[in-house]
Amino acid sequence: AQKITQTQPGMFVQEKEAVTLDCTYDTSDPSYGLFWYKQPSSGEMIFLIYQGSYDQQNATEGRYSLNFQKARKSANLVISASQLGDSAMYFCAMREGPGGSYIPTFGRGTSLIVHP
Amino acid sequence: NAGVTQTPKFQVLKTGQSMTLQCAQDMNHNSMYWYRQDPGMGLRLIYYSASEGTTDKGEVPNGYNVSRLNKREFSLRLESAAPSQTSVYFCASSEYQKTQYFGPGTRLLVL
Repeated sequence: AQKITQTQPGMFVQEKEAVTLDCTYDTSDPSYGLFWYKQPSSGEMIFLIYQGSYDQQNATEGRYSLNFQKARKSANLVISASQLGDSAMYFCAMREGPGGSYIPTFGRGTSLIVHP
Repeated sequence: NAGVTQTPKFQVLKTGQSMTLQCAQDMNHNSMYWYRQDPGMGLRLIYYSASEGTTDKGEVPNGYNVSRLNKREFSLRLESAAPSQTSVYFCASSEYQKTQYFGPGTRLLVL
């Protein structure tokens, strides 16, 4: 079974609108971390945001926020006020605690296209 | 700081040839990783090194070997390249449990 599931292969959004990229995860370890990365067409992997399983508040970094719903095991990325430069692949990843030796597992990604 | 560097950026090999992908980081991280990225598959872990002197297999280790040369450098070797190893290879580093930082990637084509 996949540990990280990104069900949206592709998403489209109008410039300046908000968009939510879905990520669900599967773990039985109480200690884990969730990450989102952006991969533009140039190919590099850019770290966006991190949420720890014990963090009380949802993480935010500028226009990026993480909608963390622990009971549902979801960690959706919300991008507010989309910009053309947000067009890219987005990957969700998880590090599990001692049982998983904190080795990251990645989802298959969601392609986001921002229209002018 | 350069962060994580990888060489080469591009490589074309013939089936059966060998090559080594080089990776170095200047962030004094203990952990280093090698991933491959194929269309529609996300990133899959080949090998990782939790600390200098240790290496462990990831999800897809077959056909690869690694060497953690020192704290800075972690190389990936293909002993006998196969077309199935055509991919983009990423090296990453992190402090234990924390955010990974990635190199720019190596595009490998095996004919």
